[in-house]
Amino acid sequence: DAGVTQSPTHLIKTRGQHVTLRCSPISGHKSVSWYQQVLGQGPQFIFQYYEKEERGRGNFPDRFSARQFPNYSSELNVNALLLGDSALYLCASSFTGDYGYTFGSGTRLTVV
Amino acid sequence: EDKVVQSPLSLVVHEGDTVTLNCSYEVTNFRSLLWYKQEKKAPTFLFMLTSSGIEKKSGRLSSILDKKELFSILNITATQTGDSAIYLCAPSGSGGSNYKLTFGKGTLLTVNP
Repeated sequence: DAGVTQSPTHLIKTRGQHVTLRCSPISGHKSVSWYQQVLGQGPQFIFQYYEKEERGRGNFPDRFSARQFPNYSSELNVNALLLGDSALYLCASSFTGDYGYTFGSGTRLTVV
Repeated sequence: EDKVVQSPLSLVVHEGDTVTLNCSYEVTNFRSLLWYKQEKKAPTFLFMLTSSGIEKKSGRLSSILDKKELFSILNITATQTGDSAIYLCAPSGSGGSNYKLTFGKGTLLTVNP
C-alpha cells in the first residue's frame, strides 16, 4: 500500500507569490491534517479536514487555506508568501482524524 | 494554550548507552500521547499511549505515560548509531470537533560509534 504522498518535494518561491501543496492520503483514510515545521521546531498544526469538511484550524493567518476533495486528497494554499513561510509542510492522514496519524515526507518550501 | 516541553533538547551519547527522553504536556481534552522519530523528513510513528502506568515496548525502545503528572518518557537501551534522530512527543487533544497533535520542539539524539 502506498503511504501518504506529498507533492512537490521541494520548491522555491518569491515573496508575494502564491503556492499550492498537494497531499494524497493512505487509501481508506478520510482525514487529512496539515502541519508546518520551521527549522528547529516541532510541527505546528494548520488545518484538519474530515470527509471534505474543515474540522479545525490552528493559529495561522487567512493567507493559509486548504480544501479536501471527494477522493480525500487535499491541497494547502498559501497566498502572499512571506520569508517566514519557509518551512517543511507535512501532511498526515488518518481514518477518522482522532488517532492513527501517518505522515508524508513533506514539501520543503523556500521563500526568497 | 496547549503546551509541550521536551527535555533535553539535545543529547550526545556513545553506542551502547541508555537514554531517557522526557516530555511534559498541558493540552485541552487530552486523548493520547504519541512519540515519533524524525530522521530527515517524515516523522515515523513509535508509540501511542492512552493509559497511565502501562509500559509500551518495541525492541530496545519503551515508553510510559503518567496522566496525573502530565508527562511521558521514552527510553532507548543499547543505543545504536541508527537511533540518531529527532524524537518528537505529541499529545493529542480535541477542541470541539477537531483533533490535533501538539508537538514539542523535539530531542535531537546523536549516537556516536
